[in-house]
Amino acid sequence: EAQVTQNPRYLITVTGKKLTVTCSQNMNHEYMSWYRQDPGLGLRQIYYSMNVEVTDKGDVPEGYKVSRKEKRNFPLILESPSPNQTSLYFCASSPFGLRTDTQYFGPGTRLTVL
Amino acid sequence: GENVEQHPSTLSVQEGDSAVIKCTYSDSASNYFPWYKQELGKRPQLIIDIRSNVGEKKDQRIAVTLNKTAKHFSLHITETQPEDSAVYFCAASMNYGGSQGNLIFGKGTKLSVKP
Repeated sequence: EAQVTQNPRYLITVTGKKLTVTCSQNMNHEYMSWYRQDPGLGLRQIYYSMNVEVTDKGDVPEGYKVSRKEKRNFPLILESPSPNQTSLYFCASSPFGLRTDTQYFGPGTRLTVL
Repeated sequence: GENVEQHPSTLSVQEGDSAVIKCTYSDSASNYFPWYKQELGKRPQLIIDIRSNVGEKKDQRIAVTLNKTAKHFSLHITETQPEDSAVYFCAASMNYGGSQGNLIFGKGTKLSVKP
């Protein structure tokens, strides 16, 4: 089954404790992206990757890191999480960038930073 | 940078009526405009998109129109059904030297379809 998976689905952590949210897709897609969703603010793009070893900043990259060492994986790293990073995070993938009518979203990761 | 404004923030219609959601964008370089539907507690799903070389696109009860001159695009849902109730997001993609990766979303419209 074609899908995007994220882990963990739920995470409660404390300020300053490094964490990684994993994202994996099994569709051989070139493009992957991370978004955060906050009430009243909609979806905001954090980082995206057009292919292996190619990443770029989205709208709100501060406080986040990403890497794309393999085509299927695009982990989101929070080196020193802060309470303002409490949010719902979505990973997404699609073939050939955004020149397509199929962008698949993962199920979401709800992160709480105390 | 790009800014996408979406209106209205909430919309309530009777089943069978039409619903229209409007978005404006600021950067004339944007050339890809997708719409997403997000049901409560679920992930966003792409429902339709349009590129800047097209003025209108239809898919059954859903249509999107684009006015490049005015820099606005709209989602039209006809014959609405209760299962159309969801939050709808518009988005615009900026073109950085041929790379289309940066996607800016509107803040969303909560559509309620009353039976």
